[in-house]
Amino acid sequence: EVQLLESGGGLVQPGGSLRVSCTASGFTFSNYAMTWVRQAPGKGLEWVSAISSSGGSTYYADSVKGRFTISRDNSKNTLFLQMNSLRAEDTAVYYCAKKEDGSGSYGYLVYWGQGTLVTVSS
Amino acid sequence: QSVLTQPPSVSAAPGQKVTISCSGSSSNIGNSFVSWYQQLPGTAPKLLMYENNKRPSGMPDRFSGSKSGTSATLGITGLQTGDEADYFCGTWDTSLSGYVFGTGTKVTVI
Repeated sequence: EVQLLESGGGLVQPGGSLRVSCTASGFTFSNYAMTWVRQAPGKGLEWVSAISSSGGSTYYADSVKGRFTISRDNSKNTLFLQMNSLRAEDTAVYYCAKKEDGSGSYGYLVYWGQGTLVTVSS
Repeated sequence: QSVLTQPPSVSAAPGQKVTISCSGSSSNIGNSFVSWYQQLPGTAPKLLMYENNKRPSGMPDRFSGSKSGTSATLGITGLQTGDEADYFCGTWDTSLSGYVFGTGTKVTVI
């Protein structure tokens, strides 16, 4: 059974940094691209970033480009999102999701984790 | 703001049919497969439809999908109270080099 477990969320002050993680199990992690999607309270879904299976290709939404960095450790079946220069508008539940193949682009999101809440507030 | 437009809400009685539209452009829907995601209250999204009209294993055939030009449609027949959820379309946007989601549609069974 595929499982994706996010962790690392919490309260951080504006301008601060936070790293969220996603630990995967139930599939060969190194074969699949992964994605971060966020959802602000009471709002819709917003794609944040994606990374190919090897980690060689990364993609970012304009809203986070230059501030967030996606990475992965295939030896530990773990996906990361390093978030710097956080703003109030980054407050959201952050979901990790598994793509259907190894490409970070196109495609669809087959499995989603339960999410971790990041709150940016003073 | 999202580049894919959906109606904010649709509703129908149990057993009836609803359709949800997803309108985009040549750089997204017009150039890529569309997928749909169902988000039940208080839960994470779940894949409902992929590559325009394919259902994941276990998804009932009451759900259907189609695409024409720069628009896509999700249909739900035999509406059940358990179908009350938010539904989002999604696809890759070649101009943005990123994935985009629709604005979301809340389905209510009245």
